[in-house]
Amino acid sequence: DAGVIQSPRHEVTEMGQEVTLRCKPISGHNSLFWYRQTMMRGLELLIYFNNNVPIDDSGMPEDRFSAKMPNASFSTLKIQPSEPRDSAVYFCASISTGVTGELFFGEGSRLTVL
Amino acid sequence: GESVGLHLPTLSVQEGDNSIINCAYSNSASDYFIWYKQESGKGPQFIIDIRSNMDKRQGQRVTVLLNKTVKHLSLQIAATQPGDSAVYFCAEGPYNQGGKLIFGQGTELSVKP
Repeated sequence: DAGVIQSPRHEVTEMGQEVTLRCKPISGHNSLFWYRQTMMRGLELLIYFNNNVPIDDSGMPEDRFSAKMPNASFSTLKIQPSEPRDSAVYFCASISTGVTGELFFGEGSRLTVL
Repeated sequence: GESVGLHLPTLSVQEGDNSIINCAYSNSASDYFIWYKQESGKGPQFIIDIRSNMDKRQGQRVTVLLNKTVKHLSLQIAATQPGDSAVYFCAEGPYNQGGKLIFGQGTELSVKP
């Protein structure tokens, strides 16, 4: 299996621009998580989906952030408009619902907002 | 202006020595604990987990100890190797919601050859 696949790996954009991050979970995993990592706040859960349905979005910073999961093999995290404080590494992770143990992370998307 | 980042705690050990990385968790209700390893430029990678009904669990070269009384978790790495150099995170969460985790700040392990 190729693992969790994220794109882009790196993105540099200017303040005010729209940013879309993409994730393909591991085939057969039906829970998907978006985490954000910064030096100041560490790894934080933003939102997660079970069977394509958003379950908990309490970690989403504000209305500029939105996430969708139109099908079992694809999810997006969108920031519009982006701000410099959104600069971080965004990770997508997946696991089978009800299974504990190894949460599989992607390699992350490093976002820099100038 | 530029924000000041936190400096991670750092543990430096000699190759072949044993390493112990500690973590204090916050939520008394958490019943599931995991250690992750993150190498530079990569995503966190699962190492070992433990449920709250246990106080020790062993894997290959790694042992996790859980002390619920003081809300403390530790990771022991035997015969540390240069490839073990990374940032190690503890995480806590509900056992029945795998993946919904609260991560600690991380400890950077540096292994000297």
